[in-house]
Amino acid sequence: EIVLTQSPGTLSLSPGERATLSCGASQSVDSNYLAWYQQKPGQAPSLLIYAASTRATGIPDRFSGSGSGTDFTLTVSRLEPEDFAVYYCQQYGRSPYTFGQGTKLEIK
Amino acid sequence: QPQLQQSGPGLVRPSETLSLTCTVSYGSIGRESYFWGWIRQPPGKRLEWIGSIFNNGNTYYNESLKSRVTISVDTSKNQFSLNLSSVTAADTAVYYCARHRTVRPFDPWGQGTQVTVSS
Repeated sequence: EIVLTQSPGTLSLSPGERATLSCGASQSVDSNYLAWYQQKPGQAPSLLIYAASTRATGIPDRFSGSGSGTDFTLTVSRLEPEDFAVYYCQQYGRSPYTFGQGTKLEIK
Repeated sequence: QPQLQQSGPGLVRPSETLSLTCTVSYGSIGRESYFWGWIRQPPGKRLEWIGSIFNNGNTYYNESLKSRVTISVDTSKNQFSLNLSSVTAADTAVYYCARHRTVRPFDPWGQGTQVTVSS
């Protein structure tokens, strides 16, 4: 199975700053079938980005995804207070579908 | 966008079967070409895909759980269900249902159900 490793584990930033989150895959992700989710406490994950760089419906353009093959990045250009949460990457190109361990984005 | 509402017990005894149901609103499982899946999140661990079912009943499972998992669909009730047999404390987790297509991510998700395995 494809193992996804996210870094850093925790990212401490202030509102208005730029956040860069990484996701590395143990094998190349088929056709860049890589998604990013945001999860807030007590809630289910919600889809942000799919196909590595396509924003889901209603997601603001301060969120962007990039990368291909085994290295992917989620960037939040200017952090808003509601962006502080846990972020997961997931590959859905090959079964079993797998998730990264998450990056916690916390207020500095 | 459909809404997925989960139901089922929050406490299951060791060696018994965990059973959860996901009811879909504002969408028809029978008429739409989607997969309906289950994912879990053990405490302090990463999310784990359990398995998925298509509206015709075709299923595919994570090999790590395949021997204990059954996912079924009831199109007349617009529901799909998860059964996980012979549970142990390692099966304690928040369980989620979600919709997806072939080579598409999970979206949307159910609200999650905390299931604890304990006597």
